[in-house]
Amino acid sequence: GQSLEQPSEVTAVEGAIVQINCTYQTSGFYGLSWYQQHDGGAPTFLSYNALDGLEETGRFSSFLSRSDSYGYLLLQELQMKDSASYFCVGQENRDDKIIFGKGTRLHILP
Amino acid sequence: DAMVIQNPRYQVTQFGKPVTLSCSQTLNHNVMYWYQQKSSQAPKLLFHYYDKDFNNEADTPDNFQSRRPNTSFCFLDIRSPGLGDAAMYLCATSRDVQANQPQHFGDGTRLSIL
Repeated sequence: GQSLEQPSEVTAVEGAIVQINCTYQTSGFYGLSWYQQHDGGAPTFLSYNALDGLEETGRFSSFLSRSDSYGYLLLQELQMKDSASYFCVGQENRDDKIIFGKGTRLHILP
Repeated sequence: DAMVIQNPRYQVTQFGKPVTLSCSQTLNHNVMYWYQQKSSQAPKLLFHYYDKDFNNEADTPDNFQSRRPNTSFCFLDIRSPGLGDAAMYLCATSRDVQANQPQHFGDGTRLSIL
């Protein structure tokens, strides 16, 4: 089976940079995604990595190292609106179900 | 705008009284999912449809059923809700089941059990 581990909470300061890590244990691997969810809101897709390296989308970047079974989400120039839960999401094989990590709650201090 | 719409936003039902939650989409996506999410937890996949093909998760209780009468609509039926079924229920759609196909979520229905 597949499991994804991420810290339960992270705290950072407005304007700073924060990294949210995700390690995974799978028998196969078909990509790592990240979703953001604000309190009371729906998860929204942020990024997807199939190959090693960095994917950048504005202030958010996602990194993957398949050899290390590790990825992270990098948020730059933090804004108060970035306070949310962030889920790494994996898939073992192409048509297997998608598995959500338990989520990391990001607290941003002014 | 194309979107995933869930109705109602809040639903209150009585213990043991059947309840149906609805989801519609204008994205014309092949896949529709139902998730259960409890406070401070990750969404838990209950089942999904790929077109008309129903895929149930092994640990989804028999109390939960789903229908997809057409591409646009999908329903979640809870036959005899228990107190443990109080949660946010999220509907999502995607073009395909692969992780590179983003899932688009509705705003959810928060279910309370009296």
